[in-house]
Amino acid sequence: EAGVAQSPRYKIIEKRQSVAFWCNPISGHATLYWYQQILGQGPKLLIQFQNNGVVDDSQLPKDRFSAERLKGVDSTLKIQPAKLEDSAVYLCASSFLAGGPGTQYFGPGTRLTVL
Amino acid sequence: SQQGEEDPQALSIQEGENATMNCSYKTSINNLQWYRQNSGRGLVHLILIRSNEREKHSGRLRVTLDTSKKSSSLLITASRAADTASYFCATDGSGANSKLTFGKGITLSVRP
Repeated sequence: EAGVAQSPRYKIIEKRQSVAFWCNPISGHATLYWYQQILGQGPKLLIQFQNNGVVDDSQLPKDRFSAERLKGVDSTLKIQPAKLEDSAVYLCASSFLAGGPGTQYFGPGTRLTVL
Repeated sequence: SQQGEEDPQALSIQEGENATMNCSYKTSINNLQWYRQNSGRGLVHLILIRSNEREKHSGRLRVTLDTSKKSSSLLITASRAADTASYFCATDGSGANSKLTFGKGITLSVRP
């Protein structure tokens, strides 16, 4: 079974620039999550989709972050404009069950450096 | 704020020894999960224990849960160099569509 795919793996940008990350979850997984993991900390949930609807985006900085999951499969996370404090690893995860987190399967992440 | 708090923050042991990591949390949970993260990689799910379970085993892993103390422990027996990684506990509260909240993690180093 193919795992969660993410791209790019690394990205370096200057502050105020825009960046987008892509995620392809495990086939058949209804729920998709985007996490932000700052160095030395655990992942923090940014947004959770169930199929193509948003379940939880309470910790998403909506003035600069946006995410979509068209057709309930792939998802993109965008930051515009980026700030220095956005430097982190952005992890995508998916789970089979809808409702309640259950076991989540993580992609390798995108390491973002904002200069 | 992060729900789970792991202890210790870092642990260094010799190959073959057992490693015990602890996690404490603040509010009621549905279940508690442990994940491993190797350097530069995504997280890998290790084990899930439900709030009505007290102990669970998976290979060399043993997890306990004490809901009265709001704490869990992860025991890795007969550790190997390949167990070197960061370990996170994650909790989810009650209710549908509840989210996982991760602790800051424990860095485990297993010396060959």
